[in-house]
Amino acid sequence: AQKVTQAQTEISVVEKEDVTLDCVYETRDTTYYLFWYKQPPSGELVFLIRRNSFDEQNEISGRYSWNFQKSTSSFNFTITASQVVDSAVYFCALSEGPYNNAGNMLTFGGGTRLMVKP
Amino acid sequence: DADVTQTPRNRITKTGKRIMLECSQTKGHDRMYWYRQDPGLGLRLIYYSFDVKDINKGEISDGYSVSRQAQAKFSLSLESAIPNQTALYFCATSDIGLGDTQYFGPGTRLTVL
Repeated sequence: AQKVTQAQTEISVVEKEDVTLDCVYETRDTTYYLFWYKQPPSGELVFLIRRNSFDEQNEISGRYSWNFQKSTSSFNFTITASQVVDSAVYFCALSEGPYNNAGNMLTFGGGTRLMVKP
Repeated sequence: DADVTQTPRNRITKTGKRIMLECSQTKGHDRMYWYRQDPGLGLRLIYYSFDVKDINKGEISDGYSVSRQAQAKFSLSLESAIPNQTALYFCATSDIGLGDTQYFGPGTRLTVL
């Protein structure tokens, strides 16, 4: 069975600090997909990134970067020079591959609440 | 206009009442999902539908039912609401490709007294 663990329940940083949110996953499939979503205080879920298991290249998008390491089953998310607007709950999620008849079922981690103070 | 909408956005009801939460989407996706969010537990899948004729139970379907009225509409019902169904409910949609991204509605905050 698939599982996603976000061990950090809350992180507090001061604006302009870099912060890394950890995500560790478990799956028996060789084909799977990993996602990060952001939930700001307004409550909606915003898609940030999707990565498949065959692509271990790190990705950078502005101040956001993601480090995918299959050897440690981790998909960590770093925010560089954090800003107050980054304050939110961030969720990591996993979707297993083609042998799962349930299709694109997402398993979510418990989320990490990031608080960026001015 | 938002691609995935949910109504109502907030609802307070009493134990034993029947409640329906509605979801509509304009993304043209075939797959639709209902999740609930509880503090510290992330999101958990209640029901999902691959098309109008296909409905499947998720991880926590007890106490809930769904209806897929059309490709664009997917409703969640609580036949007899109980306090531990107080939660934030999300509808999501995705295309049919493997690993396709799920896009979420704004959520419905339900309180059962």
